[in-house]
Amino acid sequence: QVTLRESGPALVKPTQTLTLTCTFSGFSLSNNGMCVSWIRQPPGKALEWLALIDWDDDKYYSTSLKTRLTISKDTSKNQVVLTVTNMDPVDTATYYCARIRHPNRYFDTWGQGTLVTVSS
Amino acid sequence: QSVLTQPPSVSGAPGQRVTISCTGSSSNIGAHYDVHWYQQLPGTAPKLLIYGNSNRPSGIPDRFSGSKSGTSASLAISGLQAEDEADYYCQSYDNSLSGWVFGGGTKLTVL
Repeated sequence: QVTLRESGPALVKPTQTLTLTCTFSGFSLSNNGMCVSWIRQPPGKALEWLALIDWDDDKYYSTSLKTRLTISKDTSKNQVVLTVTNMDPVDTATYYCARIRHPNRYFDTWGQGTLVTVSS
Repeated sequence: QSVLTQPPSVSGAPGQRVTISCTGSSSNIGAHYDVHWYQQLPGTAPKLLIYGNSNRPSGIPDRFSGSKSGTSASLAISGLQAEDEADYYCQSYDNSLSGWVFGGGTKLTVL
């Protein structure tokens, strides 16, 4: 059974850096084709794709947020980490991690999400 | 503003059929990238509903169907049930953005 779970701070201050961890089970990011992505959803708004890392450690970022995002993986811990620098209140959202199995381009399994509020 | 365009809301009575459209462009749906659909029940994470334009994952009822043509796609839900009340999102890949893109979401209300 594939599961993913997001963890991180519920509250960050403006200008701070957010670090989120996705801990997963049921698959390995060292296996060919496996990818983990981050997606966010502001309250009452639409989903927005942020970043993806694949089994070969290739990384892909949203064009609009590329300068602020860093995605990395720790295969031994079954974890993917996303950092977002210079947080702003507009970054308040539920952050999800999800799996993709290449060459598919859809998210077949999602975590429950973690709400991050940006406020002073 | 989302890259893929969906109607904000649709509604239907129990037992009826509704469709939700998803319009893209030549850099995503029109570039032959598949369209996928997710269902998000209130307060929960999105769940894969349709993949590869028209395929249902295991456990998804055949009341849900998808299609794609040109730069657009559609999700149809027949035999509406109260439990179908949710937000629905389409998703594809965009080669000019080199990334995954979503629609703005459609809220389905079962009257």
